[in-house]
Amino acid sequence: AQKVTQAQTEISVVEKEDVTLDCVYETRDTTYYLFWYKQPPSGELVFLIRRNSFDEQNEISGRYSWNFQKSTSSFNFTITASQVVDSAVYFCALSEGRDSSYKLIFGSGTRLLVRP
Amino acid sequence: DTGVSQDPRHKITKRGQNVTFRCDPISEHNRLYWYRQTLGQGPEFLTYFQNEAQLEKSRLLSDRFSAERPKGSFSTLEIQRTEQGDSAMYLCASSSNEWAGDTEAFFGQGTRLTVV
Repeated sequence: AQKVTQAQTEISVVEKEDVTLDCVYETRDTTYYLFWYKQPPSGELVFLIRRNSFDEQNEISGRYSWNFQKSTSSFNFTITASQVVDSAVYFCALSEGRDSSYKLIFGSGTRLLVRP
Repeated sequence: DTGVSQDPRHKITKRGQNVTFRCDPISEHNRLYWYRQTLGQGPEFLTYFQNEAQLEKSRLLSDRFSAERPKGSFSTLEIQRTEQGDSAMYLCASSSNEWAGDTEAFFGQGTRLTVV
């Protein structure tokens, strides 16, 4: 069965600290896609990053970076030099290639609070 | 295009009343999704449309729920005989069909339903 686990329910950091959000996923599919979304207080889910199961290359995009490791089924997300505007709930999500709807299966989210 | 829009943003209704929500996806997107999000949880999939065809429904979508996308553009989600357990944020998302698994879904700001 497919599942996404975000064990950290809430993280609090001081501005300019680096913060890593953990995500562990379960799937039996060999083709799948992983996502991170941000949900600010306004409620809209904002897409951040996407990775497919065939590409384990880790990248940096501005202050965001991610660490995708198939061996441990993890897709962790790091914000470097955090800012107060980064305060939000962050969701990790999975969609499976054999599912023609490509619906997203979300974790329960990690609330990030960045204090000035 | 300004993105996915949902109307209304907030709805308070009495138990037993019917409510209808509207979603206008990004114009060129033929995939449309409805999700439900309760407090402190990640969004959960409700239903999926490819153009005007409703191709998948979650078991969360009881008989009191119905969704339509009559012309393959906007969609409506109706809840009949609302119950307090229906109180949640209802999110709409759309994505393009091209290489669907590897494209992100864009979300609206949601409709927050409160059943009193």
